[in-house]
Amino acid sequence: AQTVTQSQPEMSVQEAETVTLSCTYDTSENNYYLFWYKQPPSRQMILVIRQEAYKQQNATENRFSVNFQKAAKSFSLKISDSQLGDTAMYFCAVPGGGADGLTFGKGTHLIIQP
Amino acid sequence: DAGVTQSPTHLIKTRGQQVTLRCSPKSGHDTVSWYQQALGQGPQFIFQYYEEEERQRGNFPDRFSGHQFPNYSSELNVNALLLGDSALYLCASSPHTGIDTEAFFGQGTRLTVV
Repeated sequence: AQTVTQSQPEMSVQEAETVTLSCTYDTSENNYYLFWYKQPPSRQMILVIRQEAYKQQNATENRFSVNFQKAAKSFSLKISDSQLGDTAMYFCAVPGGGADGLTFGKGTHLIIQP
Repeated sequence: DAGVTQSPTHLIKTRGQQVTLRCSPKSGHDTVSWYQQALGQGPQFIFQYYEEEERQRGNFPDRFSGHQFPNYSSELNVNALLLGDSALYLCASSPHTGIDTEAFFGQGTRLTVV
């Protein structure tokens, strides 16, 4: 079974700062993707970034990037030049094999202060 | 494109009653997954539907059942409601099942059991 651990329940940074959210996971799959989702107060989960486990290059999407350490099963999210609109819950997720749904961590509440 | 739509947005039910939640997937998507998100927690996978059949199920009792219609829309039914069923229920759709597939989420139905 997949497990996902997010050890930071809440983080708060100033606008324009860089922040890193941590995530560790465990999976028995050989090939898999990892996902970071954002859930703002509107409740709708939005995909932030995804990483294929077989790719050594870390994924980047504009201000969002990941630090993927496969051996350590670590998948952290870095947000550069943070903006007020980044305030949200952030969830790390890994899919199961075949048709399984996503397994999510408990989330990190990120607060961007003006 | 309307994206994933869920109805109703909020619902209050009495313990022991039955409830039906509805989901219309994003245009072009044929796979629907349901998640339960308790307050302060990450979403938990309930089950997934594809080609009108339940493909995979998470650790939820038989009180939770579902259905997928020929137009790919889906229903989640919960019988004999318990206070612990109070949660945000999220529907997610995707174009196919695959480890890299991005799941698109609706805004959820907030169920309160009293």
